[in-house]
Amino acid sequence: QQQVKQSPQSLIVQKGGISIINCAYENTAFDYFPWYQQFPGKGPALLIAIRPDVSEKKEGRFTISFNKSAKQFSLHIMDSQPGDSATYFCAASKTYNTDKLIFGTGTRLQVFP
Amino acid sequence: EAGVTQSPTHLIKTRGQQATLRCSPISGHTSVYWYQQALGLGLQFLLWYDEGEERNRGNFPPRFSGRQFPNYSSELNVNALELEDSALYLCASNTRGRTEETQYFGPGTRLLVL
Repeated sequence: QQQVKQSPQSLIVQKGGISIINCAYENTAFDYFPWYQQFPGKGPALLIAIRPDVSEKKEGRFTISFNKSAKQFSLHIMDSQPGDSATYFCAASKTYNTDKLIFGTGTRLQVFP
Repeated sequence: EAGVTQSPTHLIKTRGQQATLRCSPISGHTSVYWYQQALGLGLQFLLWYDEGEERNRGNFPPRFSGRQFPNYSSELNVNALELEDSALYLCASNTRGRTEETQYFGPGTRLLVL
């Protein structure tokens, strides 16, 4: 019940295209869903996060869509750029209990010119 | 503002040895988290320290331990190393007691057990 399932494992997108990464969770107590971006040789960095009181959150080219009933959330990267090539992790936790972020297994995104 | 720092960047040990990994949180952060990032397994929560105390630990054996010092820096110790301990060990920090929830990660220590 603590798992967060992430797909796909890897993704190849043409420059200018849309990258979509999906995550599903089981624990209905989760109410904080961040996405982290990790470049090679670096630690993960928070990209964008959402709470279940909204169905969508947008920051620049990055959008999180959230479906509470389906217990799914996804990251959309619009107008994907080669600089977006990185590994993306979704995560979930309970509010004010972020000592235990549950991470997905990661998606390696490659954006080709 | 300086970020989370970790040392060493790489560590090579042999089976049965002990490894010590170090982390310095962002100034003002009191909580330190340790994660193991093994190939293909994402990030697995290891330990959480806050105000010098161990607050929570993940599903790892007792040979994974650590501590937090008065200056909030932290040390992760792995005893009796096994081959499967080879992974990237990440440290993160944040400020507890506030609505801020973001965990800021360091670059990691890559541990190789031969």
